Amino acid sequence: AQSVTQLDSQVPVFEEAPVELRCNYSSSVSVYLFWYVQYPNQGLQLLLKYLSGSTLVESINGFEAEFNKSQTSFHLRKPSVHISDTAEYFCAALQGGSEKLVFGKGTKLTVNP
Amino acid sequence: ETGVTQTPRHLVMGMTNKKSLKCEQHLGHNAMYWYKQSAKKPLELMFVYNFKEQTENNSVPSRFSPECPNSSHLFLHLHTLQPEDSALYLCASSQAASMSDTQYFGPGTRLTVL
Repeated sequence: AQSVTQLDSQVPVFEEAPVELRCNYSSSVSVYLFWYVQYPNQGLQLLLKYLSGSTLVESINGFEAEFNKSQTSFHLRKPSVHISDTAEYFCAALQGGSEKLVFGKGTKLTVNP
Repeated sequence: ETGVTQTPRHLVMGMTNKKSLKCEQHLGHNAMYWYKQSAKKPLELMFVYNFKEQTENNSVPSRFSPECPNSSHLFLHLHTLQPEDSALYLCASSQAASMSDTQYFGPGTRLTVL
């Protein structure tokens, strides 16, 4: 069964610093990968997704993630964070042919001034 | 109103109560989902409905009973819950029940079972 691991439960950073949120998935077969963001008191919002094609995917607010099949990773990065990026970030994976989206436990990103 | 809405936003109930959570989507989608988000645990898929038909029941206890009267509305009926059922219950919708379709989430109902 597919599983998703987010190694860091909390990541504190200063404003304008770079950040990387790590995500590893368990399967080496065809897989779809997602990053969702949950701002305080809100539902989850899709940040970006990898289905096929270019291994580097970008979001509209400066985040990017790279699919690395050999390392079974889909880490999320941003070169310079803002205080408004403070939220919880969830990595999720869907194995080809399955309908179940499997989520990691989430990483709380706190951006300090 | 746009997007996915959920009511109530907060609910406190005793173990013998019966209550219902409501979800409504205004996006013209055909698939709807219930998820459970507990502290320190990954988000768990509970149920999937596609064109009003239940296509997934992820081994959810029978004290949770979903209902999907049409593609825009989804309910979760609750009865004789346990304290460990306290969690944030999230509803989502997507164009179809293909998981590669983007799912749009509601703000959730924070449930506390006493």
